[in-house]
Amino acid sequence: DTGVSQNPRHKITKRGQNVTFRCDPISEHNRLYWYRQTLGQGPEFLTYFQNEAQLEKSRLLSDRFSAERPKGSFSTLEIQRTEQGDSAMYLCASSPPVIGGYEQYFGPGTRLTVT
Amino acid sequence: AQSVTQPDIHITVSEGASLELRCNYSYGATPYLFWYVQSPGQGLQLLLKYFSGDTLVQGIKGFEAEFKRSQSSFNLRKPSVHWSDAAEYFCAVGPTTSGTYKYIFGTGTRLKVLA
Repeated sequence: DTGVSQNPRHKITKRGQNVTFRCDPISEHNRLYWYRQTLGQGPEFLTYFQNEAQLEKSRLLSDRFSAERPKGSFSTLEIQRTEQGDSAMYLCASSPPVIGGYEQYFGPGTRLTVT
Repeated sequence: AQSVTQPDIHITVSEGASLELRCNYSYGATPYLFWYVQSPGQGLQLLLKYFSGDTLVQGIKGFEAEFKRSQSSFNLRKPSVHWSDAAEYFCAVGPTTSGTYKYIFGTGTRLKVLA
């Protein structure tokens, strides 16, 4: 396995612009999570996919945020009309299709700076 | 409400000294429990996990953690810290009840190691 990859690693955008991040999970992992992490905080859950189905979204996720996983493989997270408060590290994690408890494998993250 | 508390924001220890990082959780049932480490600019790496069984679990890099149900705690320990252990450590709980897939992370403890 090559691990979870995320692109781009860094993104600087102006307020009001749209941005899209990509996550490629470990192959054969059917579970995929998106998190947001700000300085001095732990990862904050945004959304969860099982295969191509988005099964859970955080209530904190505004309607400017949308995520997809169209074929159950890679996933994209789009933020529309970015705001300065969206500046954060966006982390993706994947997990294998096991029954019971499972660990998450994290990617290196995409750091977003909104100016 | 489900939550994870890491009471110590910063901890400084001398190289070779022992280490204990505290984690307390609030959850309706016994959750799945995890410790992750994050080095600067890196994603999160799993140190160890507890799903069931023996309450003392061993992890990578010489770390161990003990689950104490009566105290709702899952403290991380290492008998002798190395300079390379300097990083941020996150405790997390994973869902054991149906209806949610959400993982909850603490705010982290930043470890500094003195030579």
